[in-house]
Amino acid sequence: QAVVTQEPSLTVSPGGTVTLTCGSSTGAVTSGHYPYWVQQKPGQAPRTLIYDATNKYSWTPARFSGSLLGGKAALTLSGAQPEDEAQYYCFLSYSGAPWVFGGGTRLTVL
Amino acid sequence: EVQLVESGGGSVKPGGSLRLSCAGSGFIFSNAWMSWVRQAPGKGLEWVGRFRSKADGGTIEYAAPVKGRFTISRDDSKNTLYMQMNSLKTEDTAVYYCTTGGDWGQGTLVTVSS
Repeated sequence: QAVVTQEPSLTVSPGGTVTLTCGSSTGAVTSGHYPYWVQQKPGQAPRTLIYDATNKYSWTPARFSGSLLGGKAALTLSGAQPEDEAQYYCFLSYSGAPWVFGGGTRLTVL
Repeated sequence: EVQLVESGGGSVKPGGSLRLSCAGSGFIFSNAWMSWVRQAPGKGLEWVGRFRSKADGGTIEYAAPVKGRFTISRDDSKNTLYMQMNSLKTEDTAVYYCTTGGDWGQGTLVTVSS
């Protein structure tokens, strides 16, 4: 089964910009993997921010954006807020394994 | 407003069974591809299985660790997704979420322990 990789942890300053990435052991991540990005805060259910690599939901703050960058899916946070401190997961779709989650990135706003 | 509400979690001994339910509202349930995702204590998210909409073939897919033990079903007349979990193992202990991908329920805790 494919392995999806994410940075274990990242730190960003308040108001700063940070990019989280999501890679695949099978090669470049493409739109055909339908990348999703999910935010989860302690004790809460996950909340999806991005689908199909770049699309936002009505509840997705404008400071979050998704892209495909250098063979990976990327989630960029521009203008970080204290409330953005959370665990972020990406997941990708593969034939035979509809969703494979990455291990998550713990984002600290400090 | 979309709502997904899971129920049916609880404590069970290894080898036991549980049936989870997920009631959906605020969207056309019959058109949705519904998935179960779990999260073991202190761990990341793990996909468990998916039931495509009947219109898209109604295919059911399972993750390797649960294949043959878990069975996903749906009743579109009741807007409800189910997951029958048999031969439970301690490693199945987790919060189980149902999700459309965009929307998530609050989760239900399954604890498998002797």
